[in-house]
Amino acid sequence: AQKVTQVQTEISVVEKEDVTLDCVYETRDTTYYLFWYKQPPSGELVFLIRRNSFDEQNEISGRYSWNFQKSTSSFNFTITASQVVDSAVYFCALRQGRGSTLGRLYFGRGTQLTVWP
Amino acid sequence: DTAVSQTPKYLVTQMGNDKSIKCEQNLGHDTMYWYKQDSKKFLKIMFSYNNKELIINETVPNRFSPKSPDKAHLNLHINSLELGDSAVYFCASSQKGYRVLSSTDTQYFGPGTRLTVL
Repeated sequence: AQKVTQVQTEISVVEKEDVTLDCVYETRDTTYYLFWYKQPPSGELVFLIRRNSFDEQNEISGRYSWNFQKSTSSFNFTITASQVVDSAVYFCALRQGRGSTLGRLYFGRGTQLTVWP
Repeated sequence: DTAVSQTPKYLVTQMGNDKSIKCEQNLGHDTMYWYKQDSKKFLKIMFSYNNKELIINETVPNRFSPKSPDKAHLNLHINSLELGDSAVYFCASSQKGYRVLSSTDTQYFGPGTRLTVL
């Protein structure tokens, strides 16, 4: 079975603080894909990053960075020097690489991040 | 030049009515999806179509019927609306998604339709 767990339901930080959003996943597949999406207060879902299971290289994009560790089945997301505009719900998601559920995204419950000025 | 668009953005209706939500993508993608986001923000897939063929059909009441007139459009029709149908419905599309799953395949979401059943 596929499962994504985001244990942090809500996080509050003050602007300029660094914050890490945790994501732990479960899958029996050897090939799979992990995603992070952002849902700002306006409600749309914005794609942030995709990581393939065979590529454990961490990634940095501006103030965003992602730490993928297969050994602990984690795909954590860090925002450096947070800003008020980062306030949103962040979702981690998993997609299998094969099988009848091909293409289906399994989402975590999301983490509500609030950045205070 | 919106990639995935949905109409309407808001839909308020009475119990028992029939309503439709439309979705269109201009990305040239082969696969389209419908997801439901409940009041606790949980997102779950409902349907998936690949080139007008139904691929994924989750445990969804028969009152929900997707229709794909062509691969750029996937509409969702809901009969006999119930209070529990109130949610945000998201349409998404991806380049392949099914038979030829690319390692770069990513789902892009529409803006969502907030359905409120009174």
